[in-house]
This record gives sequence, structure tokens and C-alpha cells, in this order.
Amino acid sequence: GENVEQHPSTLSVQEGDSAVIKCTYSDSASNYFPWYKQELGKGPQLIIDIRSNVGEKKDQRIAVTLNKTAKHFSLHITETQPEDSAVYFCATNSGGSNYKLTFGKGTLLTVNP
Amino acid sequence: GAGVSQTPSNKVTEKGKYVELRCDPISGHTALYWYRQSLGQGPEFLIYFQGTGAADDSGLPNDRFFAVRPEGSVSTLKIQRTERGDSAVYLCASSLSPPLAGGHEQYFGPGTRLTVT
Repeated sequence: GENVEQHPSTLSVQEGDSAVIKCTYSDSASNYFPWYKQELGKGPQLIIDIRSNVGEKKDQRIAVTLNKTAKHFSLHITETQPEDSAVYFCATNSGGSNYKLTFGKGTLLTVNP
Repeated sequence: GAGVSQTPSNKVTEKGKYVELRCDPISGHTALYWYRQSLGQGPEFLIYFQGTGAADDSGLPNDRFFAVRPEGSVSTLKIQRTERGDSAVYLCASSLSPPLAGGHEQYFGPGTRLTVT
């Protein structure tokens, strides 16, 4: 089945710096790549997603890049703020499924004021 | 508008007992999903409903787990003869239907934290 590797597992940055989280996947049929933010005690919140027909997508301070040849995609957060502190998960649709998501293990991002 | 809601938020039960976890999806979302999240891990797929029917239950770990969605809206995840290894956060998500080719945005509820003692 699909395997999603996410790194780093923890990331600490100073407020205002950029943060980058990377994921690799194994199934070449995957074509949907969402990123979720999860705060303590809450469910995952969709923050951005990308489909395989584009290589990059940006939404204000957040961007995602996709390299289908290398089977990896990354989340970029610029001008980080303390409220960006959370666990971030990448995911992809297993086997090109329309519904089944496989998640990475998460990255704990800490933004220090 | 209202998001996905789940009740209870926390459930503590003794080993061997039966539990039910409830999910109310976003209004108008006919696709519903259950995931399980263990400590320090990402969510793992359990089951997917399209309307009233379970279109894919391949993620259910064994036959102690069962889910229903009788009217195509609210869903209940049922766990029989609970074991300590069932302790986790159970997440529900919903999305517009039918899912677009390549997947559609899934919106998660806050989860139910199940603890089996």
C-alpha cells in the first residue's frame, strides 16, 4: 500500500523565519496532496492542497510544491508566527483513490516569539 | 456554517465493554469517513460512506468494529468487546459528494478520545 514519509518530526524556528516540511510518497497513482494543521485537542484542519496537474500552489504565507517525478511534496510557511505552532500532517490519496487518504506521521512545529 | 461535530469528546470505558461514537457531518456533505489516530501518529483510514452505504470498510481492524449511517447523515462507530489497544482518538470527516477524480477536500471533526482501562 501507499507509504508516506514525513520529515522532520520536530521543527523549531524563530518568529518571522520560514519553515519547510517535506514528504515523500511511494504510489505513482497518487494525485491529490493535502496538508493539515492540528492543534492540541482539535481535529486536523485542511490548510492547503495541491493536485498533480500543478507544481506549486500558494495561499498567503503558505505554499506547497510538488515534484511528481521524485514523488515528493513540501509545505513552506513564510514569516512564521507563534500561532503557526501546531502539528502538521501531509497526506495523499492512496492508489489514486477518490476518498482514502494516507497520512504522514506529522511534524511538530514550534515558533518561538 | 457548522463544521463536523462528534460526541462524546471523551469516553472512558472498561475493557470488554461496548461503545458508540457519533458523528454529525457538515450539512450537504454526503461522503463521510472515519479515521483513527494513535498518539504521535497521523490519522489512519477506517471506513468510507457514500450516502447510507459503506463503500469501503477495508480499514476496520477487525469484526469488533462496525459503523452505520442509516439515513445518510449522522454516523455511529460501534466497538464491541473493547480492548486497551483500541484507545485512540477517533476522527470523523466529511466531504462533498461525489468525490472528484483525484480526491476531494475532507473536513475533520474534533474527534472522540477513547480510553479503554
